[in-house]
Amino acid sequence: EVQLLDSGGGLVQPGGSLRLSCAASGFTFSSYAMSWVRQAPGKGLEWVSAISGSGGGGRTYYADSVKGRFTISRDNFKNTLFLQMHSLRVEDTAIYYCAKDYSGAYDFWGQGTMVTVSS
Amino acid sequence: EIVLTQSPGTLSLSPGERATLSCRASQSVSSTYLAWYQQKPGQAPRLLIYGASSRAAGIPDRFSGSGSGTDFTLTISRLEPEDFAVYYCQQYGSSPLFSFGPGTKVDIK
Repeated sequence: EVQLLDSGGGLVQPGGSLRLSCAASGFTFSSYAMSWVRQAPGKGLEWVSAISGSGGGGRTYYADSVKGRFTISRDNFKNTLFLQMHSLRVEDTAIYYCAKDYSGAYDFWGQGTMVTVSS
Repeated sequence: EIVLTQSPGTLSLSPGERATLSCRASQSVSSTYLAWYQQKPGQAPRLLIYGASSRAAGIPDRFSGSGSGTDFTLTISRLEPEDFAVYYCQQYGSSPLFSFGPGTKVDIK
């Protein structure tokens, strides 16, 4: 059974940093591209970042809104996806979901972890 | 940059009725990379349709997807009580790499 377990969210001040994790199980993690998708309170879904699987060389991609501030990475030995977030802004407040790629769609999602940026 | 627009914003229907949701792209989207999701309050999104018309595993056949180019449709043939939710379309492959529409809320009339 595929499982994605998001963690690492919390309350942080503007300008602060946070590192999110997503522990994956039930599939060959290294073979699949993975993404982070966020959802601000009461709002829609926003793609944040993606990283290719081992076949794609672990290439990374970012939304313009987070480029230069967020870094996506993965540890294929520990089956874990990460999102390092720096220079956090109030507008980064959201539930952050990790999601597994399936031919350009997302077939499995984590339960989400809440990030609140506030003074 | 591709922008996805969904209509209507809210669809008020009764159980047993047919729901037709629209997703329009500002530029042509490959049908291979157009997906639909259902999201209920407090839950993560759930993949319904990928490749514009292929149902994901375990999705009932009352859900169907169609369309090409810039116009795509999600149809729910007969609404069940558990189908009242928010539905998002999503594209892959154009700048930005992934993007979502703003969503259509299907609520009980």
